[in-house]
Amino acid sequence: ETGVTQTPRHLVMGMTNKKSLKCEQHLGHNAMYWYKQSAKKPLELMFVYSLEERVENNSVPSRFSPECPNSSHLFLHLHTLQPEDSALYLCASSQAGTSGALDTGELFFGEGSRLTVL
Amino acid sequence: QKEVEQNSGPLSVPEGAIASLNCTYSDRGSQSFFWYRQYSGKSPELIMSIYSNGDKEDGRFTAQLNKASQYVSLLIRDSQPSDSATYLCAVKYGGSQGNLIFGKGTKLSVKP
Repeated sequence: ETGVTQTPRHLVMGMTNKKSLKCEQHLGHNAMYWYKQSAKKPLELMFVYSLEERVENNSVPSRFSPECPNSSHLFLHLHTLQPEDSALYLCASSQAGTSGALDTGELFFGEGSRLTVL
Repeated sequence: QKEVEQNSGPLSVPEGAIASLNCTYSDRGSQSFFWYRQYSGKSPELIMSIYSNGDKEDGRFTAQLNKASQYVSLLIRDSQPSDSATYLCAVKYGGSQGNLIFGKGTKLSVKP
C-alpha cells in the first residue's frame, strides 16, 4: 500500500445510522486532515491533527467526530447525519513543519469517501 | 474572512493553445500559494507551488504571483486534452503552521 488510502469509497446511510470513515497514510507524515467537498463549493477544512493532537476544528457539527489513534490512521465517526451532509470526504496528510522548519504546504489526498445520506 | 476566489468556468481552449487560470485572495499576509489539479472522480494533486513575486516555470506550467495585487495565476502552454480537469487555487494562511484555504476551482476543457 502506498500513499493515502480511504475506506469505504462509497457509503449510503440513513439519518439514524452510525458509521465511520477510515483513512491510512503510508508516507511517514505527521499531520492528517479531513476535508469536505460538495458540489459548487470549495474544499472545506473540517479537522486537522498534528502529531496526533487535534489542532483545528472548523466549527464542524458534533455529529462528526474525528479520531486519530496514531500518526498513520485517522477516522471520522458519523452519527445522525442530515441529507445536506452528503458529499465527498477527503482525507489528506502532510509533513507539518516544526519550529524553524520549512513547511511546504503540500497535501497528499486520498481518493475520498463518497457519502450519501438518505 | 479568508477567501480565495476563482472563476468557476468552464474555460474551453483548443489543443495547443495557452490556458490561463486566475485566482485572487483576501489575506495580504499570505506567503504560500499552490495550484492543485483534480480530474473528475479523482482527488486533488499538487502541480505547482509559488512563494515569491514573479514567475515560476515547470515544464508546460507557469505560476505567476503578484502579492501587491493579491493575485496568482497558472498558465498552461501547449494545452493537451489530458489537461482537462478542475484546477484548484490554494492559499496558506497563518505562516508555516497554517492551513490551506481552497478556491472553488476552475474547470478547464481542452478540445482536440
